[in-house]
Amino acid sequence: KNEVEQSPQNLTAQEGEFITINCSYSVGISALHWLQQHPGGGIVSLFMLSSGKKKHGRLIATINIQEKHSSLHITASHPRDSAVYICAVGEEDSNYQLIWGAGTKLIIKP
Amino acid sequence: DTAVSQTPKYLVTQMGNDKSIKCEQNLGHDTMYWYKQDSKKFLKIMFSYNNKELIINETVPNRFSPKSPDKAHLNLHINSLELGDSAVYFCASSLLAGYGELFFGEGSRLTVL
Repeated sequence: KNEVEQSPQNLTAQEGEFITINCSYSVGISALHWLQQHPGGGIVSLFMLSSGKKKHGRLIATINIQEKHSSLHITASHPRDSAVYICAVGEEDSNYQLIWGAGTKLIIKP
Repeated sequence: DTAVSQTPKYLVTQMGNDKSIKCEQNLGHDTMYWYKQDSKKFLKIMFSYNNKELIINETVPNRFSPKSPDKAHLNLHINSLELGDSAVYFCASSLLAGYGELFFGEGSRLTVL
């Protein structure tokens, strides 16, 4: 079992739908990252959080430390949101390493 | 100005050759990383340097050798390339080791024939 599990693996939705991608982890963490990788290959950091909730435009990330769970939400989804969304956690007291989820491939249809 | 830039973006070469990928960041970050993304799209850490000091050295063949001449640069040299080395290699940086937002380069797609 991976220490960082994302669900779903693949998600196809219609433009305008509210999207939720989940990330569960089994280790104590210092921080959790959400990243986006577009079909062209570039990787962009979306959020880094260790508690609560962060919002940037139509993207919202939440984390529940007690439940070891984070969600990434996209409101009013758009085809340009189509990408792979990756969750990664920085393990507490680790040697600086991140543990990576396998990613969620999101396709938003017009 | 690109925050993290890596060159070349594409590299096609024959088995047995030696090649290098260069990475530079202009963010003033202390820590830089090399990741390998294989065909299954998993990102795997290979190396990390903090202020020119190697802090992460994962189990990679010793044909892979990182070099950090200063904290703004982290280069990856690969000797005796093998077919299995074909992948996309990403350079990244963060303000401090294991902490802070990650900034990635565009990736270098290596194809070994």
